[in-house]
Amino acid sequence: QKEVEQNSGPLSVPEGAIASLNCTYSDRGSQSFFWYRQYSGKSPELIMSIYSNGDKEDGRFTAQLNKASQYVSLLIRDSQPSDSATYLCAGHAGNNRKLIWGLGTSLAVNP
Amino acid sequence: EPEVTQTPSHQVTQMGQEVILRCVPISNHLYFYWYRQILGQKVEFLVSFYNNEISEKSEIFDDQFSVERPDGSNFTLKIRSTKLEDSAMYFCASTQLTTGTGKDNEQFFGPGTRLTVL
Repeated sequence: QKEVEQNSGPLSVPEGAIASLNCTYSDRGSQSFFWYRQYSGKSPELIMSIYSNGDKEDGRFTAQLNKASQYVSLLIRDSQPSDSATYLCAGHAGNNRKLIWGLGTSLAVNP
Repeated sequence: EPEVTQTPSHQVTQMGQEVILRCVPISNHLYFYWYRQILGQKVEFLVSFYNNEISEKSEIFDDQFSVERPDGSNFTLKIRSTKLEDSAMYFCASTQLTTGTGKDNEQFFGPGTRLTVL
């Protein structure tokens, strides 16, 4: 059974701090990984994608991938109250395959 | 910016009734997906669709479910005889055809249809 695991949280950080979200996956065939943000009652919104080992930065967000350890992370710098949401990690085996999802980590950024 | 749209936003139906959920994927995208999310649970893959045929489907996608692209823009999910356990948010997503790795693997989601089966 291919699984993506995340700590459900809640993770609580003060405004301006760095939020660190983690994800592990079981399928070594997974090639691509994605972080989505989901506000309550809304659909997943793509934040970052990462395909290669190492770091990928986009604004306040940095995704990290370590395929040997089967580990993906998302760092949010200068966290804002508007970042409060559930962050979903998802991966797939490539070539338009289905996404396999984690349960998500709930993040609360406190003013 | 182009986006995936879905209608209706909320559908209430009686158990045993048929429902059709509609999606308009992003116009230059060629792969389409349906996912669902039961309240408090993981997002679950239902089916993917490419070139007018199902590319991949999950165990959830049994004979009660079907998908169709009736014209050049719409993509529909039909549930023939709804059950209480079909109550969930249903999300449509689309992506460009993969040419290898890169941004064309990214799946973009519509706002969802909340299906309530009574």
